[in-house]
Amino acid sequence: GENVEQHPSTLSVQEGDSAVIKCTYSDSASNYFPWYKQELGKRPQLIIDIRSNVGEKKDQRIAVTLNKTAKHFSLHITETQPEDSAVYFCAASRGYSTLTFGKGTMLLVSP
Amino acid sequence: GAGVSQSPSNKVTEKGKDVELRCDPISGHTALYWYRQRLGQGLEFLIYFQGNSAPDKSGLPSDRFSAERTGESVSTLTIQRTQQEDSAVYLCASSAQLGNEQFFGPGTRLTVL
Repeated sequence: GENVEQHPSTLSVQEGDSAVIKCTYSDSASNYFPWYKQELGKRPQLIIDIRSNVGEKKDQRIAVTLNKTAKHFSLHITETQPEDSAVYFCAASRGYSTLTFGKGTMLLVSP
Repeated sequence: GAGVSQSPSNKVTEKGKDVELRCDPISGHTALYWYRQRLGQGLEFLIYFQGNSAPDKSGLPSDRFSAERTGESVSTLTIQRTQQEDSAVYLCASSAQLGNEQFFGPGTRLTVL
């Protein structure tokens, strides 16, 4: 089955800096890669996703890049703000299947 | 529109008791998923439903765990003879179809004393 590795497990940045979270996956047939944000005590919510037919997708301050050859994808957050502090989960799936989640990255943005 | 709802929001039970957790998915969503999240940990996949069928139950931690879904709508996760290690937040999610964006419910926080 699919295996998703996520790094780092924790990430501390200063407000205004950029943050990058990286994930690798094992199943070359995976074609859907969402990122979820979970604030403390809240439910996970989708913030951005990418399908395997594109290499990059941007939405304001967040972007996701995908390297199918290397089987890794990354979340980039620019101009970080304190409200970006949360746990971020990457995930992967192939076709009509369930998502396999990474173990999460706790991002702390200090003012 | 209404999102995914779960009940109860909190459940405190004594070791050895049975508990039933409920999930109401977004109307029309054919796929439904259950996850367990221990404090400070990631999302542990338990089981999914496509319609009312659960094709793969291998993610359930033990035979004390079972789940069902009826009417391609509400789902219940039942834990029999609860143990302290069952304490966690149980999250339910649904998607329009398998493999699409999952929408999560608020979770049920289960505490086994």
